[in-house]
Amino acid sequence: KQEVTQIPAALSVPEGENLVLNCSFTDSAIYNLQWFRQDPGKGLTSLLLIQSSQREQTSGRLNASLDKSSGRSTLYIAASQPGDSATYLCAVGGGTSYGKLTFGQGTILTVHP
Amino acid sequence: DADVTQTPRNRITKTGKRIMLECSQTKGHDRMYWYRQDPGLGLQLIYYSFDVKDINKGEISDGYSVSRQAQAKFSLSLESAIPNQTALYFCATSFGGEQFFGPGTRLTVL
Repeated sequence: KQEVTQIPAALSVPEGENLVLNCSFTDSAIYNLQWFRQDPGKGLTSLLLIQSSQREQTSGRLNASLDKSSGRSTLYIAASQPGDSATYLCAVGGGTSYGKLTFGQGTILTVHP
Repeated sequence: DADVTQTPRNRITKTGKRIMLECSQTKGHDRMYWYRQDPGLGLQLIYYSFDVKDINKGEISDGYSVSRQAQAKFSLSLESAIPNQTALYFCATSFGGEQFFGPGTRLTVL
């Protein structure tokens, strides 16, 4: 059974810092990995999707990497802003459960001015 | 207009009542999912459907049922609601492995 772990559970940083969120998974036979953002009481917004054949994806100040062999992904946020404050969720899809995502519990990020 | 919509957005009900949560999508995706989110437990898959004639149980299907009325509609029912079904419920669609979520329904069972 796939298990996804996100570290740290919470992170508080001053505005302007570059930061890294970590995600690890136990079964490396994945189809893809998706990073989401969730604001309090709201739905999930897809940030980046990395296919299993890819090593990284970039969107604006966000960069996500994937290392299947070690079962790890990182989300790098450059020049953090207070508007980046949210919960960030990592989800792994595929292998024998193609089409279904297994979620980590999330990292709660607070960026203070 | 939102691509994935859920109704109602908030619902308070009593133990033993039958509840239906509805999901509609305009993305034209065949695959649809229902998840619940509880604080500290992340998102857990309840049911999923790969097309109108295909319904599959997820990790936590006990106490729930679903209906795929059309490609665009996927409903979740709680036949007899209980307090530990109080949670945030999300519908999602997917294409090419990427999932797209609705805004969620906050359900409280008293």
